[in-house]
Amino acid sequence: SYVVTQPPSVSVAPGQTARITCGGKNIGTQNVHWYQQKTGQGPVLVLYDVSDRPSGIPERFSGSTSGDTATLTITRVEAGDEAEYYCQMWNSHSDHPGVFGGGTQLTVL
Amino acid sequence: EVHLVESGGGLVQPGGSLRLSCAASGFIVSDNYMSWVRQAPGKGLEWVSVTYSNGKTYYADFVKGRITVSRDTSKNTLFFQISSLRLDDTAIYYCARTGISAPGTFDDWGQGTPVTVSS
Repeated sequence: SYVVTQPPSVSVAPGQTARITCGGKNIGTQNVHWYQQKTGQGPVLVLYDVSDRPSGIPERFSGSTSGDTATLTITRVEAGDEAEYYCQMWNSHSDHPGVFGGGTQLTVL
Repeated sequence: EVHLVESGGGLVQPGGSLRLSCAASGFIVSDNYMSWVRQAPGKGLEWVSVTYSNGKTYYADFVKGRITVSRDTSKNTLFFQISSLRLDDTAIYYCARTGISAPGTFDDWGQGTPVTVSS
């Protein structure tokens, strides 16, 4: 099965830039999406297809890929951005199309 | 407005079975792709299954052979029946409308229903 790797935690001071990575073989061939999950709440889609933002998601959230790594970048980090962030891959040609990374806890210092 | 409400979770003994429901409003379940995602206590999200609008369903290996996903068009509801429950099936089970923004996006989520497998 497809393996997706995320760092367990990232810490950043308010106003700084947070970068959360997601590694997977040939990640550029997959649909890559990102979710934010705050404590006690359900997940929320924050980026889809690497870098597109759903309605209502601030421009501070952006995404990119390079090689086998996708990156979620949050600029001008706010206390309200503190959450668990998950990347998710989708391969429409697979019998097991969906897979999540293990999640990264973003701590705002 | 899209709204998803899961129900049917609870405490069940190992080896038992449960049927979870996902009642939808604001869209037609059978016209959409629908997924189940679970989250064990203190753990990450885990994709479980997707049902396409044509009714075809794909499952993660850890539930294959133990689950059946069905739809009731009159109730606009998705069902998830799981049997031979194991301790590691303990999780919050979410249903999600899938593939609206892009292939495989989980665009809309319910609040989840907790399943506890314990003797």
